[in-house]
Amino acid sequence: DAGVIQSPRHEVTEMGQEVTLRCKPISGHDYLFWYRQTMMRGLELLIYFNNNVPIDDSGMPEDRFSAKMPNASFSTLKIQPSEPRDSAVYFCASSFHRSSYTFGSGTRLTVV
Amino acid sequence: SQELEQSPQSLIVQEGKNLTINCTSSKTLYGLYWYKQKYGEGLIFLMMLQKGGEEKSHEKITAKLDEKKQQSSLHITASQPSHAGIYLCGAPPGSQGNLIFGKGTKLSVKP
Repeated sequence: DAGVIQSPRHEVTEMGQEVTLRCKPISGHDYLFWYRQTMMRGLELLIYFNNNVPIDDSGMPEDRFSAKMPNASFSTLKIQPSEPRDSAVYFCASSFHRSSYTFGSGTRLTVV
Repeated sequence: SQELEQSPQSLIVQEGKNLTINCTSSKTLYGLYWYKQKYGEGLIFLMMLQKGGEEKSHEKITAKLDEKKQQSSLHITASQPSHAGIYLCGAPPGSQGNLIFGKGTKLSVKP
């Protein structure tokens, strides 16, 4: 298996622009997670899905953030409009029955 | 809400030395995961501990779970430069499906 695949690896955008991050989980995994990592706050859970259904989105910072999982093999995290404070590394992870959690390589987002 | 505290925050050791990293939970642990992260990369799974008293080893890395103390330790024997990186502990907060993480321990190994 190719593991959890995230794209793009790096994204530089201007403040106010829309940003879309993409994730392909491991086939057969029933959980998908979006995390954000910063030096100050470490790894924070943004939202997670179980069988494509959002279960907990309490970590989503504000209405500018949205996440979707239209099917078992694809998820997106969208930021609109983006702000400099959104600059961070965003990780996607997937899990099978919560027994193991595999992380993608992350998307490094820079908002200027 | 549950929090995981890791100690030390950073560690510099001479190659060949042993070291221990600790992860302490503010609430009951229902399992504990250890990951390693190199700068600019994703998290690499090391070990998962599920039961109190459980101990697992992989190559020169050993992890233990002490449920009573709500704590886990990660021990590296005869450290090598390849062990350098950030070590993160993660745990499921109760019955929820996600993991919460500690802030990490940055390990540097001097050749």
